[in-house]
Amino acid sequence: GNSVTQMEGPVTLSEEAFLTINCTYTATGYPSLFWYVQYPGEGLQLLLKATKADDKGSNKGFEATYRKETTSFHLEKGSVQVSDSAVYFCALSDRGATNKLIFGTGTLLAVQP
Amino acid sequence: EAGVVQSPRYKIIEKKQPVAFWCNPISGHNTLYWYRQNLGQGPELLIRYENEEAVDDSQLPKDRFSAERLKGVDSTLKIQPAELGDSAVYLCASSLEADQYFGPGTRLLVL
Repeated sequence: GNSVTQMEGPVTLSEEAFLTINCTYTATGYPSLFWYVQYPGEGLQLLLKATKADDKGSNKGFEATYRKETTSFHLEKGSVQVSDSAVYFCALSDRGATNKLIFGTGTLLAVQP
Repeated sequence: EAGVVQSPRYKIIEKKQPVAFWCNPISGHNTLYWYRQNLGQGPELLIRYENEEAVDDSQLPKDRFSAERLKGVDSTLKIQPAELGDSAVYLCASSLEADQYFGPGTRLLVL
């Protein structure tokens, strides 16, 4: 079945450091891929998405590229801020009749000033 | 535009007691989802509604969980009786097309 694997955290970085959170997926067909962010005490917010191979999703300085050949959707940001501290979830959707989201286990990012 | 509204935000109950969660989706969103998020895990789908019809409830533990979406707008998720293992965050999401928008969740603690 479909699944998502993302790197375990916590990831601790200093402000302005480069961020990479790895995400790989297993799916039949051509899923859509997402990154969601969950700030402390809040619900999940859609951060970015990509719906087909080689698409790049971007938002708030974050980027991720849909790599079909490596089945990956790694999240990157060139310069993190303290306010980026949150839990990041990679997810896929089969885009079919169910539109069901399947999430990874989440990666906690802690950015220190 | 108002987001997905959920209540209560927190609930503490003793095991074997009933509990209910309420969700009001974004206006116009015909698809509504209930997810359960265990500590340290990603959310997992419990049930999906298209308007008032439950079209995917394969992950809903039907012996103790029930849900309804009367009139195809608000939805209620119920657990009766609750067990210790039901402690989790229950998230509601809604969508018009593909993108799902999540509410803040209800954090349930069963003692």
